[in-house]
Amino acid sequence: EAQVTQNPRYLITVTGKKLTVTCSQNMNHEYMSWYRQDPGLGLRQIYYSMNVEVTDKGDVPEGYKVSRKEKRNFPLILESPSPNQTSLYFCASSSRTGSSYEQYFGPGTRLTVT
Amino acid sequence: AQSVTQLGSHVSVSEGALVLLRCNYSSSVPPYLFWYVQYPNQGLQLLLKYTSAATLVKGINGFEAEFKKSETSFHLTKPSAHMSDAAEYFCAVSDRDDYKLSFGAGTTVTVRA
Repeated sequence: EAQVTQNPRYLITVTGKKLTVTCSQNMNHEYMSWYRQDPGLGLRQIYYSMNVEVTDKGDVPEGYKVSRKEKRNFPLILESPSPNQTSLYFCASSSRTGSSYEQYFGPGTRLTVT
Repeated sequence: AQSVTQLGSHVSVSEGALVLLRCNYSSSVPPYLFWYVQYPNQGLQLLLKYTSAATLVKGINGFEAEFKKSETSFHLTKPSAHMSDAAEYFCAVSDRDDYKLSFGAGTTVTVRA
């Protein structure tokens, strides 16, 4: 089954404790991205990757890191989490469908930083 | 940069009534437009997309949207709401030939029995 998986689905942590949220896709997509979803703000892009070893900042990159060592994986790293990073996080991968791109989303990771 | 505005953060409809969710985009060049649905505790699922073919786009679950260039709008409708339509709906926009999506703030739909 074609899918984007994220782990963990739920995470409660404390300020300053480094964490990694994994993301993996099995569709051989080149493009992957991370979003955070906050009430009243919709989804905002954190980082994206056009291909292996190619990453770039999205709209809200502060406090986050990513890496793309393999095509299928795109982990999100919070080296020193803070309470304002409490949010719902989505990973997505994208393929070209006709003349446009279609993004496939993972199930989300709900992060709470206390 | 592309942006979208969704009018109304919450919409409440009766079962069987029309569902109308409003989305306006800001761009001088018609972009690509998308509607996504998010059911509770799930990721986003594509409902439909406009990519400059037909201006009336039909999607899944009986939803459709009409692209109106003169009004810079892409409103989502469904003639008859079902209880299973209760979810959050996001309008999104991208430049042509670009991966990046910009999302609206979302509209939560509740359906009354």
